[in-house]
Amino acid sequence: GIQVEQSPPDLILQEGANSTLRCNFSDSVNNLQWFHQNPWGQLINLFYIPSGTKQNGRLSATTVATERYSLLYISSSQTTDSGVYFCAVEGGQGNTPLVFGKGTRLSVIA
Amino acid sequence: KAGVTQTPRYLIKTRGQQVTLSCSPISGHRSVSWYQQTPGQGLQFLFEYFSETQRNKGNFPGRFSGRQFSNSRSEMNVSTLELGDSALYLCASSPTGVSTGELFFGEGSRLTVL
Repeated sequence: GIQVEQSPPDLILQEGANSTLRCNFSDSVNNLQWFHQNPWGQLINLFYIPSGTKQNGRLSATTVATERYSLLYISSSQTTDSGVYFCAVEGGQGNTPLVFGKGTRLSVIA
Repeated sequence: KAGVTQTPRYLIKTRGQQVTLSCSPISGHRSVSWYQQTPGQGLQFLFEYFSETQRNKGNFPGRFSGRQFSNSRSEMNVSTLELGDSALYLCASSPTGVSTGELFFGEGSRLTVL
């Protein structure tokens, strides 16, 4: 099945700093989503982005499907951005479940 | 529009017992997926239901089962609980019928097995 690798596994930032999280995948994808898991465990949708670029406030994401990677950018980080960020993909064959990466644990300190 | 609702949020069971978890999807969503999250294994897919039919199944033993009702609500059941079943169980719903589409997750049910 499709493999998903996220980097870095852990990231510590000073409040106000910018960061880039990376997601590499091993095959073509129909679906790619970025999630933020809050301290209570809920996965919050950030982006549905199988290709192209999207922006939502301080967050933006880019997926280059032909090169099999996606990037999540966080600008002017805040302490509330702390948590685990997951990338999840659905393989190109379709009608298959989302496969999650192991996540990037982000800690933003004041 | 109400989000995905999971009940119960927390529960404690002992080995050998069984447990049933419930998930109500977003109104109009027909696909419901279940995931298990543990510190060691991360997020692992359990099964997906669409229109009351199991469409996909992950690599879990037969003790894990699920079903979906005509109103799209879903339940999952774990029988003969083991210590290793302690986990956060997450349910997600999706509007699409062809592929997984954009998933929306509930807050999860945190199961502790003693």
